[in-house]
Amino acid sequence: KNQVEQSPQSLIILEGKNCTLQCNYTVSPFSNLRWYKQDTGRGPVSLTIMTFSENTKSNGRYTATLDADTKQSSLHITASQLSDSASYICVVSSNQAGTALIFGKGTTLSVSS
Amino acid sequence: GAGVSQSPSNKVTEKGKDVELRCDPISGHTALYWYRQSLGQGLEFLIYFQGNSAPDKSGLPSDRFSAERTGGSVSTLTIQRTQQEDSAVYLCASSYASGRAGELFFGEGSRLTVL
Repeated sequence: KNQVEQSPQSLIILEGKNCTLQCNYTVSPFSNLRWYKQDTGRGPVSLTIMTFSENTKSNGRYTATLDADTKQSSLHITASQLSDSASYICVVSSNQAGTALIFGKGTTLSVSS
Repeated sequence: GAGVSQSPSNKVTEKGKDVELRCDPISGHTALYWYRQSLGQGLEFLIYFQGNSAPDKSGLPSDRFSAERTGGSVSTLTIQRTQQEDSAVYLCASSYASGRAGELFFGEGSRLTVL
């Protein structure tokens, strides 16, 4: 069964600290992996998209890694800011015909001052 | 428009009533998706439109749910005889290419509350 599991479910960190969010998936065949940021009451916004051949991709203070062999991805946030408080959603796309985008349930990050 | 536009942003209705949710995708985007997000849950796929192809309706939870996309642009999601379990945020997304490769751009969502 195609699944995307994210951990931790929630996380609280102090402003200025770094953190890493995890995503494990069992989706096959694999096409790409995406990380989205969803602020409370808003729609998700894309942070990164990585294909099979990409190991790492950065977007400002956000760096995503992908290990296609172990089917794991991480999102590292550097020097966190209050505005980083949001839900971070991992999405894996399959090469199956149709619309196979499998969403994780997200990690809720709270950055406090 | 500059982004995906959804309306209404909030809708409160009584059980048994019908509701219509509207999505106006980014101009030129051929792919359009509807998702449902319940509290504490991941996004649940509902339906997918791609150009003039027949829509993928495999995610619709019951025959009370239907969606149309007119002229390859605006889409309407209709929920008939609403139930309390239909309460959720309904998100629309559009993409220039097929969703498997293309980046999804989401609207702000329509929050539905069924009393």
